[in-house]
Amino acid sequence: RKEVEQDPGPFNVPEGATVAFNCTYSNSASQSFFWYRQDCRKEPKLLMSVYSSGNEDGRFTAQLNRASQYISLLIRDSKLSDSATYLCVVNRLGSGGYQKVTFGTGTKLQVIP
Amino acid sequence: NAGVTQTPKFRILKIGQSMTLQCTQDMNHNYMYWYRQDPGMGLKLIYYSVGAGITDKGEVPNGYNVSRSTTEDFPLRLELAAPSQTSVYFCASRDGTAINTEAFFGQGTRLTVV
Repeated sequence: RKEVEQDPGPFNVPEGATVAFNCTYSNSASQSFFWYRQDCRKEPKLLMSVYSSGNEDGRFTAQLNRASQYISLLIRDSKLSDSATYLCVVNRLGSGGYQKVTFGTGTKLQVIP
Repeated sequence: NAGVTQTPKFRILKIGQSMTLQCTQDMNHNYMYWYRQDPGMGLKLIYYSVGAGITDKGEVPNGYNVSRSTTEDFPLRLELAAPSQTSVYFCASRDGTAINTEAFFGQGTRLTVV
């Protein structure tokens, strides 16, 4: 089982729609969580961190459910410019005391006019 | 702010040739990473480093080597290039003094092996 799993999509949604992505993680010792955005042929960039109490940044809301070991990203009022791949990222301490960063394979979003 | 800088941006190699992908960061980050990303696929970790002089293998290290002689630089060496190494290579760095810090990526190196 992969340590971080995401539905690859693609999610095709009309402009103005609300869309939600989920990501599950397998290691209960995971400590910090992020959503990254990757545009086509570009490098990944941080979209937002995910906090235990949930957090919002404009049209974007991130939630963490530690009991069920998943994080979610909700995008309201989708824009054409939201079309991208969204990567779920999980950090934890690995063997030897070093930090391990695990990227999901990403969920592709296509917003349609 | 330079952040993470990768060179070259593009390269075509012939089978059997060798090359070094350069990566440098100016944020004094202790952790650095090399990923490859094949078309339509996710990131795969090749090697990582937790500080100068310390490197370790990721999930796909075969055919690659790294070194970390300084905090700033983390070059990736390809020996005897093969078509299977055609990919986009991303270098990243992050501050490992805390667990909840983000990773910063370079713009990538697009490598084609023919």
